[in-house]
This record gives sequence, structure tokens and C-alpha cells, in this order.
Amino acid sequence: DTEVTQTPKHLVMGMTNKKSLKCEQHMGHRAMYWYKQKAKKPPELMFVYSYEKLSINESVPSRFSPECPNSSLLNLHLHALQPEDSALYLCASSPWGQMNTEAFFGQGTRLTVV
Amino acid sequence: SQQGEEDPQALSIQEGENATMNCSYKTSINNLQWYRQNSGRGLVHLILIRSNEREKHSGRLRVTLDTSKKSSSLLITASRAADTASYFCATAVTGKLIFGQGTTLQVKP
Repeated sequence: DTEVTQTPKHLVMGMTNKKSLKCEQHMGHRAMYWYKQKAKKPPELMFVYSYEKLSINESVPSRFSPECPNSSLLNLHLHALQPEDSALYLCASSPWGQMNTEAFFGQGTRLTVV
Repeated sequence: SQQGEEDPQALSIQEGENATMNCSYKTSINNLQWYRQNSGRGLVHLILIRSNEREKHSGRLRVTLDTSKKSSSLLITASRAADTASYFCATAVTGKLIFGQGTTLQVKP
């Protein structure tokens, strides 16, 4: 199984809502990543988890809260988002955290904040 | 700020022609990777070239890396309509994978 599964595929939420994005992989990878991608732009790194510990936070606002419950799961908790946070959120995994090999990406969650 | 710049930003060719995309980056890297993205969905890894390699092939793909110029190129030979997508270079630096601006390729049947 070489898949990274993200749920939901689409999400519409209000600015006062709390929601979570989920990401799962069963490749035994020990590094997992959240990226944000706006239309016609490249993916931008948000967070890196290495061996279930947060190793990189790219100065992401606190309204985005990552969580890694175990080595296969990665969540992104959303609270009090703004319309400009609407984007495609991509999860990725790699065998370990040094990016010495390819990363596997999920299909993304397309988030709309209204 | 993004690590890589790519050119051209957009490329339109006929089926059967070759497509070349270029990527430049700013800092020392461990490796450089190329990804494809169809219709704003997930990215698919195409090829990885390490900093001590100069050229790599995979099927119809040929990648070169010039660390002295901090640049790389991706050549797709004998293009097909199915190659229509956005192509991104990505540099691996201290545990991060940082993407370039991307090239949008359209292959006309």
C-alpha cells in the first residue's frame, strides 16, 4: 500500500467552526507533512512531524493546530479560520525526516472558509 | 520565500514534441526532486537526483543537475496529451521539501 489517504476531500466551514482534516498512511513512514496550496501557486510547507514529534512549524498561525496521534495518522485541527485560509491542504509522508527519498502525497482536502 | 524558480511558467506543445522545463534554486541542497500535479490534486513524484549526480533518466524523463549554477532541467520526450499537468521542482534542505513556482504544461493532441 503506497497511498496517503486524506479525508474529507472537500470541506466548507464557517469562520466560527471547528473542524479537522485527517491523513493516514500505512507505509511505515516516520515523517509526515502538512502543506497548503493556493490556486496557481506551489505547495507551501506548514508542519513537519518526525517520529511523531513536531519538528518544524513554519510560523503557521495558531488557528491551525497539528496533531500526530500515532505513526500512521496526522490531523490538522482548524478553528476560527479566515476566508483567506481557503486552499488545498496536502498531506505527505516520507520514510524519515531528511527528505533523502521521495515524498508520497495524498489527494488533498479542498477547504473553503465562508 | 520559495527556494526554486522555474521557467517557463507555461508551455504549450504538440503531442510528440519534447518539453523542457528549468529550475533554479538558491541554497545548497541534498537532492532535487520533480513532481507532477494534475488538476490541483495530489502531487506525484517523478524523479529524484542527488547533489552528487549530474544526470538521471526514468522512462521518457531526463533530469540534469548543475550544482555550480544551482539549476536543474526536466526533459520530457515524445510528449503525450496525458502529460498535461503542472510540474514542480522541489529541493530538499534540512528536512524540508521546498517547491519551485512550477511550470504548467499543455500537450495538444
